[in-house]
Amino acid sequence: GESVGLHLPTLSVQEGDNSIINCAYSNSASDYFIWYKQESGKGPQFIIDIRSNMDKRQGQRVTVLLNKTVKHLSLQIAATQPGDSAVYFCAEKGSNYQLIWGAGTKLIIKP
Amino acid sequence: NAGVTQTPKFRVLKTGQSMTLLCAQDMNHEYMYWYRQDPGMGLRLIHYSVGEGTTAKGEVPDGYNVSRLKKQNFLLGLESAAPSQTSVYFCASSYGREITDTQYFGPGTRLTVL
Repeated sequence: GESVGLHLPTLSVQEGDNSIINCAYSNSASDYFIWYKQESGKGPQFIIDIRSNMDKRQGQRVTVLLNKTVKHLSLQIAATQPGDSAVYFCAEKGSNYQLIWGAGTKLIIKP
Repeated sequence: NAGVTQTPKFRVLKTGQSMTLLCAQDMNHEYMYWYRQDPGMGLRLIHYSVGEGTTAKGEVPDGYNVSRLKKQNFLLGLESAAPSQTSVYFCASSYGREITDTQYFGPGTRLTVL
């Protein structure tokens, strides 16, 4: 079946450094992927998305890379700040536009 | 614009009790969703609705019922709560018509079933 998974449960990064969060997916027919940020005690918040006809998309301080050959996507956060501390989820749009979620990566910022 | 709101924020139930969680959105979205999130896991879809008066089952629908009598509201009911339903419940909404339509989430309801 479809599944979306993350490589690491926790990532510690020095403030100011770049962060890279990875995600693997299993359905090669997947067409659309989203990254969400979830701060403690809050609902998930949309960060950036990418369609399967692209391999890179940039936002403000964030970049998503998609490698369809190995079914892998990553989220890069430039110049990581304390406010970036959160759990990051990748999700895939399945049938009926339902979201299929990975388990999440907790990003910890070291001062 | 309040976005997506959920009530209540916290609730403690005893096994066998019933309750209803309310989700409201003011963005005129067609699609609404109920998810549950267990510790250390991603969200799992319980039920969803593609429009007023319609509902459909998601990945984990057992033990829950939903209703969408008004476009702006989506109710999640637990008829006989069980400890396995202890979780954080999130509601979301989207325009839904295009694959790229973003789902916007509420702040969540933390439910404990004793």
